[in-house]
Amino acid sequence: QSVLTQPPSVSAAPGQTVTISCSGSTSNIGGNSVSWYQHVPGTAPKLLVSDNNERPSGIPDRFSASKSGTSATLGITGLQTGDEADYYCGTWDGSLSAGVFGGGTKLTVL
Amino acid sequence: EVQLVESGGGPVKPGGSLRLSCVASGFTFSIYTIHWVRQAPGRGLEWVSSISSSSSYINYAGSVKGRFSISRDNVKNSVYLQMNSLRAEDTAVYYCARAHSNLVDYWGQGTLVTVSS
Repeated sequence: QSVLTQPPSVSAAPGQTVTISCSGSTSNIGGNSVSWYQHVPGTAPKLLVSDNNERPSGIPDRFSASKSGTSATLGITGLQTGDEADYYCGTWDGSLSAGVFGGGTKLTVL
Repeated sequence: EVQLVESGGGPVKPGGSLRLSCVASGFTFSIYTIHWVRQAPGRGLEWVSSISSSSSYINYAGSVKGRFSISRDNVKNSVYLQMNSLRAEDTAVYYCARAHSNLVDYWGQGTLVTVSS
């Protein structure tokens, strides 16, 4: 059981937009910035965006993030087949003094 | 280019020990907190441990507290994870990652630890 809650899967057609939610509490999302990661099995996870929409170089602006209260959202526009991967939200939990991740969301581009 | 390279994984019997290493390059290692994160087969990412730049702040997940120990050598640009009393549920790919914002940005490729009799 993960501290942060994500839907197990989402799907959409190429070119469409999808959002992935991440729900937490005041000790994690409510008090800290949230980062989103893309993970293709067998490779290293990759930081996509933080909830202030800070993106590492090379990450397109098709990926965006937002936060409200104790929930965060990742948005992906203009879906491409190459976006198929597992997506994770993550942050620090001040009460646990530990990093926490969501359970992951598998994105399928139909 | 930021690089993190893990090593030291492999097969081990339940109750055994293993020491993972993470060597960093391409950034000023000594000013960064470093984290270990793992992924068990078929499961999601699980945060394991972190160590601050001067080793003053160390944290562990409840699932490994008392069994795992993290340390670092800023001269060798390295972080270590000593894993004792290993259990089958510790089987996972272990990643080291550089701290960023409230969690991490760059990750290594991972090293596989398999605990089995």
